[in-house]
Amino acid sequence: KAGVTQTPRYLIKTRGQQVTLSCSPISGHRSVSWYQQTPGQGLQFLFEYFSETQRNKGNFPGRFSGRQFSNSRSEMNVSTLELGDSALYLCASSYPGLTSGANVLTFGAGSRLTVL
Amino acid sequence: AQTVTQSQPEMSVQEAETVTLSCTYDTSESDYYLFWYKQPPSRQMILVIRQEAYKQQNATENRFSVNFQKAAKSFSLKISDSQLGDAAMYFCAYRSQSTGNQFYFGTGTSLTVIP
Repeated sequence: KAGVTQTPRYLIKTRGQQVTLSCSPISGHRSVSWYQQTPGQGLQFLFEYFSETQRNKGNFPGRFSGRQFSNSRSEMNVSTLELGDSALYLCASSYPGLTSGANVLTFGAGSRLTVL
Repeated sequence: AQTVTQSQPEMSVQEAETVTLSCTYDTSESDYYLFWYKQPPSRQMILVIRQEAYKQQNATENRFSVNFQKAAKSFSLKISDSQLGDAAMYFCAYRSQSTGNQFYFGTGTSLTVIP
């Protein structure tokens, strides 16, 4: 079974630009979550999508948005980039239920965004 | 909001020895999940172990075990017979039952294994 795939792995942008990151979850996983990881703040929750609907949202400004498609693939977009947006963006997928593997986040390798 | 605290930013252990990483959390809920994730230098986060709050028995996965103290809101990870491959950043995480699939992570403990 393929893991969680994130693209691109690395990207460099300048302030004011916008960026779109993509995440393909594990087959069968309908929940996709996004986290921002920085050395100072650790992992912070951005949002979660389930069956194309945003189910939870973290405390980030409106410049951060996301969406999920019918095949469960998800994208997140950051507009008007700021220097502080430089981070590793992690995507994770999961499935609900009562089995031992349910409700466990499986992470992708991340997209490293550098804003200059 | 729930908070997760890892008070040890860095830890080190001799190869083949045992090390315990600490984690405490704050919640008013009675039903939740707790996790330990490992992030090696290659940065892919990997699940180490999970614990359901309603289970009194501590979870164990091979050399990894937890000490779950619900009343004290403590969830420590014990790594036995430490190996060089255990060197990584370890994150404690809390999953609320009331906020769906939102996880709260601690700030991590960087574990060094000394040969």
